[in-house]
Amino acid sequence: DTEVTQTPKHLVMGMTNKKSLKCEQHMGHRAMYWYKQKAKKPPELMFVYSYEKLSINESVPSRFSPECPNSSLLNLHLHALQPEDSALYLCASSQVKGAGANVLTFGAGSRLTVL
Amino acid sequence: AQSVAQPEDQVNVAEGNPLTVKCTYSVSGNPYLFWYVQYPNRGLQFLLKYITGDNLVKGSYGFEAEFNKSQTSFHLKKPSALVSDSALYFCAVRDGNNDMRFGAGTRLTVKP
Repeated sequence: DTEVTQTPKHLVMGMTNKKSLKCEQHMGHRAMYWYKQKAKKPPELMFVYSYEKLSINESVPSRFSPECPNSSLLNLHLHALQPEDSALYLCASSQVKGAGANVLTFGAGSRLTVL
Repeated sequence: AQSVAQPEDQVNVAEGNPLTVKCTYSVSGNPYLFWYVQYPNRGLQFLLKYITGDNLVKGSYGFEAEFNKSQTSFHLKKPSALVSDSALYFCAVRDGNNDMRFGAGTRLTVKP
C-alpha cells in the first residue's frame, strides 16, 4: 500500500459546527503532516507529527486541533472555523530518517468550505 | 531561512517541444531540493529530488532537473512535452527542521 487516504473528500460546515478530517497510511511512515492550500497557492505547513508526537505547530489557531492516535492515523479536529479557513487540507507522510525522510507522500486532500 | 523561488507563474509550450520550469534556491549549507506536481483537485506527487551526487537528476514521467550551484538554480526539464503534463509544478526545499517549504508554483500548459 503506497497511498495516503483522506476522508472526507469534501466537507461543508457552518461556523459553529465541530467536524474532523481523517488521514490514514499503511506505509510504515512515522512522520505525518497537515498542510493547508488555498486556491492557486502553495501548500502551507500546519503541523508535523514524528513518532506520534507533535513536533511542529506553525502557529496555527486553536480552532484547528490535530491528533495522532497511532502510527497510521492522523486527524484534524475543526471547531468554530471562519470562512477564510475554507481551503484544501492535505495530509502527507514520510519516513523520519534516511533517504525516505526526504520524500513526502500526499493524500488527495479534503476540500473544506466554511459557510 | 531556506527558501525557493519560482519566477514564472505560467509556462506555455507546444506539445513535442522541450519544456523548462524554473526554480532558484536560497539555503545555508547543502540544499535538499525537490519537484512536486499537482493535478487538478489532487494532492502533490513527488517527481524528483537532489540531495547529493550528479547534478542532473532524473525523475518520474521523463522529467529531469539540473542542479546548478553557481546559479543557485534547480530547473525542471523535459525533452518533449505532452498535453498530459499540464499541471501545477512546485519546487521545494527541505529546511533545517526537516520541513518541506514550497515555492509559489508554476502552472504549465502544454497545447496540442
